[in-house]
Amino acid sequence: QLQLQESGPGLVKPSETLSLTCTVSGGSISSSSYYWGWIRQPPGKGLEWIGSIYYSGSTYYNPSLKSRVTISVDTSKNQFSLKLSSVTAADTAVYYCAKLISSAVDYWGQGTLVTVSS
Amino acid sequence: QSALTQPASVSGSPGQSITISCTGTSSDVGGYNYVSWYQQHPGKAPKLMIYDVSKRPSGVSNRFSGSKSGNTASLTISGLQAEDEADYYCCSYAGSSTYVFGTGTKVTVL
Repeated sequence: QLQLQESGPGLVKPSETLSLTCTVSGGSISSSSYYWGWIRQPPGKGLEWIGSIYYSGSTYYNPSLKSRVTISVDTSKNQFSLKLSSVTAADTAVYYCAKLISSAVDYWGQGTLVTVSS
Repeated sequence: QSALTQPASVSGSPGQSITISCTGTSSDVGGYNYVSWYQQHPGKAPKLMIYDVSKRPSGVSNRFSGSKSGNTASLTISGLQAEDEADYYCCSYAGSSTYVFGTGTKVTVL
């Protein structure tokens, strides 16, 4: 059974860079036909698509976040990562890593809360 | 990219059917047959209920069905049960490998 697990700091200072890693177990991140992505949800609010990556390294970002987002993949560790720069309080959210198939998310991580505060 | 529009809340009695709408534009919902629906219980990660407008993943009850007409997609839950009480989100492909979510709908079982 495929499992995804987010890891990273739960508290980030304003203007700094948020960094999260998603470790995939029970399957290979290099499997063809799959994309891997990041989605976030501010407390009490809806879901927001951040971006996705193919195992080859091709990336696709939400236009509204594109200037601040970098998603990368490390196939040797079966992991992919998210970096979001110049964070503000508005970036406080539960961040989910996800696996996509046929333009839908069929596997989700449990989510990790990242708070932006000094 | 603007969030897809969903009603804030929908309610129904056990056994009834309810429908949740998801309205976008010709650049997302209307332009592709790639609409998915997610169920989210409090404090939990979302769960895929419908993909490619009307396909159900293995293990999802056939009480859940999806459809699309023009720029509006819909999720119908028939035979409403207490366990269906949750938040529901639609999501559409928006071109160039990007996606947009809906605003979310809280389903209440009366």
